[in-house]
Amino acid sequence: DIQLTQSPSSLSASVGDTVTITCRASQGIRNSLAWYQQKPGKAPKVLLYRGTTLESGVPSRFSGGGSGTDYTLTISSLQPEDFATYYCQQYYTNPPLTFGGGTKVEIK
Amino acid sequence: EVQLAESGGGLVQPGGSLRLSCAASGIDVSNSYMTWVRQAPGKGLEWVSVIYSDGATYFADSVKGRFTISRDKSNNTLVLHMNSLRVEDTAVFYCGAKRELPLYFNHWGQGVLVTVSS
Repeated sequence: DIQLTQSPSSLSASVGDTVTITCRASQGIRNSLAWYQQKPGKAPKVLLYRGTTLESGVPSRFSGGGSGTDYTLTISSLQPEDFATYYCQQYYTNPPLTFGGGTKVEIK
Repeated sequence: EVQLAESGGGLVQPGGSLRLSCAASGIDVSNSYMTWVRQAPGKGLEWVSVIYSDGATYFADSVKGRFTISRDKSNNTLVLHMNSLRVEDTAVFYCGAKRELPLYFNHWGQGVLVTVSS
């Protein structure tokens, strides 16, 4: 099974900051990676897929990068509505689909 | 607009059974990829099961042999039958949908809480 390790598990940032979250896969996943945002009590919302492709309607301050085993989610100019928990998910192999452990972005 | 609405959650004793439903509108459950993902209290997302448009089904090891996934075509509904429930199955269960591969999910329900406790 492919394991996904996200780092950091949490971070504190201010409005206007740029933050980067990392997702490392236990083996190469050829950009078969999606990023989700989840707010408390709500379902996850997909932000990017194929590692770097922005889902329709998602603001361009969200961007993805990486290849092979290492991927990043960057949020530029953090907005108040961006404080949430972010998860990566690989779909290179199924079963199982796997999620990273999550990164909570909190207000400093 | 795609809408998914889960139901059927509640309190059940260890060893018991429960049937979750996910009623869909704006998407054909029978011709889409449908999944269940759960989230234990204060924890991260855990994939549970997926059913492909061709009917193939897959399960996480943690639920294999205890859970089944199916579709009710007449009601355009996704169903998760859960047997031999354990305390560690306590979670909010979300259904997700996507019309085609690849298997990330861009439509989600609001979630339903399953509590397994004596």
